[in-house]
Amino acid sequence: KQEVTQIPAALSVPEGENLVLNCSFTDSAIYNLQWFRQDPGKGLTSLLLIQSSQREQTSGRLNASLDKSSGRSTLYIAASQPGDSATYLCAATGNQFYFGTGTSLTVIP
Amino acid sequence: NAGVTQTPKFQVLKTGQSMTLQCAQDMNHNSMYWYRQDPGMGLRLIYYSASEGTTDKGEVPNGYNVSRLNKREFSLRLESAAPSQTSVYFCASREQGMNTEAFFGQGTRLTVV
Repeated sequence: KQEVTQIPAALSVPEGENLVLNCSFTDSAIYNLQWFRQDPGKGLTSLLLIQSSQREQTSGRLNASLDKSSGRSTLYIAASQPGDSATYLCAATGNQFYFGTGTSLTVIP
Repeated sequence: NAGVTQTPKFQVLKTGQSMTLQCAQDMNHNSMYWYRQDPGMGLRLIYYSASEGTTDKGEVPNGYNVSRLNKREFSLRLESAAPSQTSVYFCASREQGMNTEAFFGQGTRLTVV
């Protein structure tokens, strides 16, 4: 069974810092890796999808990378803002989605 | 587009009561999913429907049933609610295929007392 781990569980940074969130998975036979954002009491919003044949995807200040051979993905957030405060979830996908437990990010003004 | 719509948003049930959570998507997606989210345990798959007319069990199916009513709608039924089913339930959909992007609803917060 696919196991997905996200480290750290919580992260607090001052506004303007660049930061990296980590996601690791045990089975490299994934089809893609998807990053989500979840605000308190809300649903999941898709941020980036990296196909298994790709190495990275970028959207605005977000850049996600994927290394299937090492079972790792990272989400890089540039110039963090207080509005980036949320929980970030990664999911490794096959016929279903296997989620990590998330990283709770707080960006301090 | 509305995307994935779940109803109700909140519900309180007494132990032993039954209810159906509704999910509808307007993106013409073939695959639909029901997950539950619990603190410290992440999201776990309850049931999924790869295409209209098919359903399969996920990681935690006990105590639940599902119906893929048509291509748009996928409902989750609790026949006899238990306190252990207190959770936030999310419905998701995606186009058919294992490399496609998933879209989630806003969730249903269920409390069983």
